[in-house]
Amino acid sequence: QVQLQQSGPGLVEPSQTLSLTCTVSGGSISSGVFYWTWIRQHPGKGLEWIGYTDNSGTTYYNPSLKSRFTISLDTSKNQFSLKLNSVSAADTAVYYCAREVPWGRFDPWGQGTLVTVSS
Amino acid sequence: DIVLTQSPGTLSLSPGERATLSCRASQSVSSNHLGWYQQKPGQAPRLLIYGASSRATGIPDRFSGSGSGTDFTLTISRLEPEDFAVYYCQQYTHSPYTFGQGTKLEIK
Repeated sequence: QVQLQQSGPGLVEPSQTLSLTCTVSGGSISSGVFYWTWIRQHPGKGLEWIGYTDNSGTTYYNPSLKSRFTISLDTSKNQFSLKLNSVSAADTAVYYCAREVPWGRFDPWGQGTLVTVSS
Repeated sequence: DIVLTQSPGTLSLSPGERATLSCRASQSVSSNHLGWYQQKPGQAPRLLIYGASSRATGIPDRFSGSGSGTDFTLTISRLEPEDFAVYYCQQYTHSPYTFGQGTKLEIK
């Protein structure tokens, strides 16, 4: 079955760019109708949906978040990525990748990456 | 944004008991676009229920979901030790998708 494996640094300095990658195994990121999604969870808090890319590279972001996020697709590597620029301590969170099965069902999830913003 | 309010914040029960968790939406969730997730410490959330009442693949039948409109319920008929975790509801009627703040189910 499809599995998601996240990679990327756990520590980012303030004002720098956070970059995370999610590698899909057990299936092609290009096939089917799915939305490749990022979600974050601030320490001890609930879940916040960031946005997604579909398999054509079309993206959609949470309009309630400031537009510092970029989600991209690399079909050659069966990966999708998240970039967040100009990070601050408020961006410290566990970041998850997930597959959205239309509509709104997140399954499966990556293992999560705790990203701490600190100098 | 649709706000999902879960209650209670913490539920203390014993194995074998029945658990009833509530999720109330600030606006109507159409087509029962409501899901439930289970999260254990240090793990990613796991999809339990979608469409308000459909169990995800591999989810035991002791988990059931019900409700419509603005009021939804997750019921665990007989608690097993592995069920003690945090549970989140999530709506996917309106963008942005939003989650409740969670109910912690703890062992009494």
